[in-house]
Amino acid sequence: GENVEQHPSTLSVQEGDSAVIKCTYSDSASNYFPWYKQELGKRPQLIIDIRSNVGEKKDQRIAVTLNKTAKHFSLHITETQPEDSAVYFCAAIPTGGGNKLTFGTGTQLKVEL
Amino acid sequence: NAGVTQTPKFQVLKTGQSMTLQCAQDMNHNSMYWYRQDPGMGLRLIYYSASEGTTDKGEVPNGYNVSRLNKREFSLRLESAAPSQTSVYFCASSVQSLPVEKLFFGSGTQLSVL
Repeated sequence: GENVEQHPSTLSVQEGDSAVIKCTYSDSASNYFPWYKQELGKRPQLIIDIRSNVGEKKDQRIAVTLNKTAKHFSLHITETQPEDSAVYFCAAIPTGGGNKLTFGTGTQLKVEL
Repeated sequence: NAGVTQTPKFQVLKTGQSMTLQCAQDMNHNSMYWYRQDPGMGLRLIYYSASEGTTDKGEVPNGYNVSRLNKREFSLRLESAAPSQTSVYFCASSVQSLPVEKLFFGSGTQLSVL
């Protein structure tokens, strides 16, 4: 099955700095990679996703990059703000598991004033 | 639209007790899922229902049963609760399951088994 590793587990940045969270996956046939944000005590919500036929996708201050050769994808947040503080989860769909997502273990991002 | 609604929000059980977590969605989604979230382990799939009338095991199905009552509702049952089932449980839905995209989550159930 798919194995998704996520790093770092915690990340602290100063407001206005950039934050980068990295995930690696084991199944080279994986083709869909979403990122979810979970604020404290709230439900996870999809913030951005990317397919394997695209190398980069941007949405305002958030971007995701995918390196299929190295089997890793990253979330980039620029000009971080206090409201970006949350747990971020990456995920991937394994081969033959098109109806199941495998999640990473999460990154606690703290944006300090 | 309320989206995905879960009940209860909090529950405390004694070892061996049973309970059912309820989930309903009003987005006309075909697929529904149950996840558990434990510290340091991310979200793990317990069971899912690709469409009305079908259910399948996920990554951690032992100790749980599910029922897809109709297109809107998907319940999770613990027949004999164990301390290892202490967790936060999330129900989710998506338009389709192949491939699964854009999961919409409920607000979660905090379950403690003593």
